[in-house]
Amino acid sequence: EIVMTQSPATLSVSPGERATLSCRASQSVYSNLAWYQQKPGQAPRLLIYGASTRATGIPARFSGSGSGIEFTLTFSSLQSEDFAIYYCQQYNNWPYTFGQGTKLETK
Amino acid sequence: QVQLQESGPGLVRPSETLSLTCTVSGDSVSSYYWNWIRQSPGKGLEWIGYIHYSGITNYNPSLKSRVAMSVDTSKNQLSLKLTSVTTADTAVYYCAASYYNWFDFWGQGSMVTVSS
Repeated sequence: EIVMTQSPATLSVSPGERATLSCRASQSVYSNLAWYQQKPGQAPRLLIYGASTRATGIPARFSGSGSGIEFTLTFSSLQSEDFAIYYCQQYNNWPYTFGQGTKLETK
Repeated sequence: QVQLQESGPGLVRPSETLSLTCTVSGDSVSSYYWNWIRQSPGKGLEWIGYIHYSGITNYNPSLKSRVAMSVDTSKNQLSLKLTSVTTADTAVYYCAASYYNWFDFWGQGSMVTVSS
């Protein structure tokens, strides 16, 4: 099974600032990676698939990059509604696996 | 846009069978692959498996011996059964729709506690 490792566990950032989250796979997943956002009491929401393609309705301030084993999710300018937990997920191999999440909190 | 709603008992006794239903609205069950995913504080997000309306299934090897999924096209519903549950199966269970291999739409989740 492919292990997904996210860093940092928690990131404290001020609104309006730029932020970058990282996700590393234990083996290459090519570009078969998705990112999700989860707010308290809600289900995860798809943000990015194919490592860099935004899902329908996702603002342009969210961007994904990377391939192989290293991936990043970048926020160009954080809005108040962006503070949440973010998960990466690989779908190159079964079973599909998720990272443990990065909590993005207000500084 | 497809909407999903999970339902089922919130409490299951150890060694018994967990049964959940996911009702699909806004689209047909034939349009997607249907996944079950669970989330617990200890193990995070865990993909349980998927089913296609044609009957094709793919289960996580870690749960394969205890899992069964089905689709009822007449009711636009999915179901999940997990046998011989233990406290480690306590989690929020989500159904999620995927057209390819990522999860496009999620239900709100159903909390299941395994306890005597």
